[in-house]
Amino acid sequence: AQSVTQLGSHVSVSEGALVLLRCNYSSSVPPYLFWYVQYPNQGLQLLLKYTSAATLVKGINGFEAEFKKSETSFHLTKPSAHMSDAAEYFCAVSAFGQGGSEKLVFGKGTKLTVNP
Amino acid sequence: ETGVTQTPRHLVMGMTNKKSLKCEQHLGHNAMYWYKQSAKKPLELMFVYNFKEQTENNSVPSRFSPECPNSSHLFLHLHTLQPEDSALYLCASSQDRGGSKVLGYTFGSGTRLTVV
Repeated sequence: AQSVTQLGSHVSVSEGALVLLRCNYSSSVPPYLFWYVQYPNQGLQLLLKYTSAATLVKGINGFEAEFKKSETSFHLTKPSAHMSDAAEYFCAVSAFGQGGSEKLVFGKGTKLTVNP
Repeated sequence: ETGVTQTPRHLVMGMTNKKSLKCEQHLGHNAMYWYKQSAKKPLELMFVYNFKEQTENNSVPSRFSPECPNSSHLFLHLHTLQPEDSALYLCASSQDRGGSKVLGYTFGSGTRLTVV
């Protein structure tokens, strides 16, 4: 069964510093992988996705992620954190459900705090 | 505007009340989902609908009753809820491509439910 593990439920960085949010996946088939961001009292917004094309994926707001099959990882990075990046981030992998329906399996989330 | 609209945004209900949450999508998607997001818990998939047919029910208590009259609308009927059901309920939609992996969900902003 497909699953994702996000290392670190809380990450704190200074404004202007590198952001690194870790995600490792488990999948018996080539995975599709996603990063979503959630601001307080909002739904989840797609940041970027990997669907077996380029291994380095660029998303919105300056974020990018690299698919590394050998490490089963899909870490999210941003070179320079901005105060507006403070939010919760979710990694997800595509899977098939009970009735053959497609679904996303989400990690537990990482809350990013950006300090001035 | 995310393309997925949830109403109401906030709902306070007593344990003996009956209420309904509504989700509407104008993206032409054919799959819709209900998720529950509680504090300090991962996102919990509740129900999956594919072409109006329910394809997944993740052992959700019968006090939650979904309804999908067409591919654009999804409801969650609530009755005799418990305080532990207080959470953010998120609706999402996607394009089911018949056996191919999900390309991602579009989420609504959620309904913040408080059961008193």
